[in-house]
Amino acid sequence: DGGITQSPKYLFRKEGQNVTLSCEQNLNHDAMYWYRQDPGQGLRLIYYSQIVNDFQKGDIAEGYSVSREKKESFPLTVTSAQKNPTAFYLCASNLVQGGTGANVLTFGAGSRLTVL
Amino acid sequence: GNSVTQMEGPVTLSEEAFLTINCTYTATGYPSLFWYVQYPGEGLQLLLKATKADDKGSNKGFEATYRKETTSFHLEKGSVQVSDSAVYFCALYAGGTSYGKLTFGQGTILTVHP
Repeated sequence: DGGITQSPKYLFRKEGQNVTLSCEQNLNHDAMYWYRQDPGQGLRLIYYSQIVNDFQKGDIAEGYSVSREKKESFPLTVTSAQKNPTAFYLCASNLVQGGTGANVLTFGAGSRLTVL
Repeated sequence: GNSVTQMEGPVTLSEEAFLTINCTYTATGYPSLFWYVQYPGEGLQLLLKATKADDKGSNKGFEATYRKETTSFHLEKGSVQVSDSAVYFCALYAGGTSYGKLTFGQGTILTVHP
């Protein structure tokens, strides 16, 4: 079955360490996204990528970095510059439809990062 | 800019009660509207959607009608079950230069007791 795989599901980090969250999709979707979820705040967009080798900052990109070397993969690095990294991180993808209609995102199961 | 506002939670109901979760939005043009559901420890799943005014999205007994005159997309279900306990997110897609990005509400936690 096609879908999005995020790993690891749980991750613990010491302050000052960088960590990388993996996101892989086999849906042949063009666009991929990273969202951060905090209790009571909904989802906030960190980065997104429409095509390979191109990505754009979302609303809360500071302290994060991404790469898009392959269509299937969009890893997120949480750097030591991120002041409050403890959160649930969600990766999503979609087949960009050129803005002509509904735009349905498919989500992974998420990765929970805890800073010790 | 675009925004989505959901009713404050959490919402606690008894099984077979009627559910309404309010959602209003602010957007230019004619956005598409969505309800996503998140079960504990999981990612989000699309519950239903509507792409134009007066459209009604429905799935698994849930319904929502796109009301442009009131900029609303309230979620309803006639008889909830314990298995409906989850977090529900209202979202919009504004199209144009949104490049596929969705704007989400803050989520509403629903707990259904037997």
